[in-house]
Amino acid sequence: KAGVTQTPRYLIKTRGQQVTLSCSPISGHRSVSWYQQTPGQGLQFLFEYFSETQRNKGNFPGRFSGRQFSNSRSEMNVSTLELGDSALYLCASSLGREAFFGQGTRLTVV
Amino acid sequence: QKEVEQDPGPLSVPEGAIVSLNCTYSNSAFQYFMWYRQYSRKGPELLMYTYSSGNKEDGRFTAQVDKSSKYISLFIRDSQPSDSATYLCAMKDSSSASKIIFGSGTRLSIRP
Repeated sequence: KAGVTQTPRYLIKTRGQQVTLSCSPISGHRSVSWYQQTPGQGLQFLFEYFSETQRNKGNFPGRFSGRQFSNSRSEMNVSTLELGDSALYLCASSLGREAFFGQGTRLTVV
Repeated sequence: QKEVEQDPGPLSVPEGAIVSLNCTYSNSAFQYFMWYRQYSRKGPELLMYTYSSGNKEDGRFTAQVDKSSKYISLFIRDSQPSDSATYLCAMKDSSSASKIIFGSGTRLSIRP
């Protein structure tokens, strides 16, 4: 059974640009969550989507947004990138209470 | 004060030792407790998932939850060099399926 797939694995962007990250959940999983991991703040919850609807949101500015498609695949978008957005962005999919993570997308903002 | 406190380490022990990793939390609404293992440049991997107070064992791993003290532990028996990784405690309340609050992680190194 395939795990959670995130693309791309690595990304370098310039300040002010925008970026879109993609996540394909485990087959059959309808819930997709996004997390940001940095050395200083650790793993922080961004938002969760279930059946194409945002069900929960963390304390991040509106520059961070997401969406989910009918096949449960999800995208996350960050606009007007700042240096502090450099992080590992992780996607997790859930069927029940357990969450399974992908390998993440390493975003570097220069 | 953070909702979940975890000693960042690093923790270095010899191969074969018993490892004890711990977290404390302040939010009494937390009902589900997890331990994740994260290797360098990889995503977190779910090791243990518990709901009630008490112990849960899976191979060399034992998760312990004490809700009255707001304290959780992970024990690793017969530790191996392949256990060297960062261990993250995590928890969530019953009202949200996926919003997980993580500890900062403990970096563990097992010396051959």
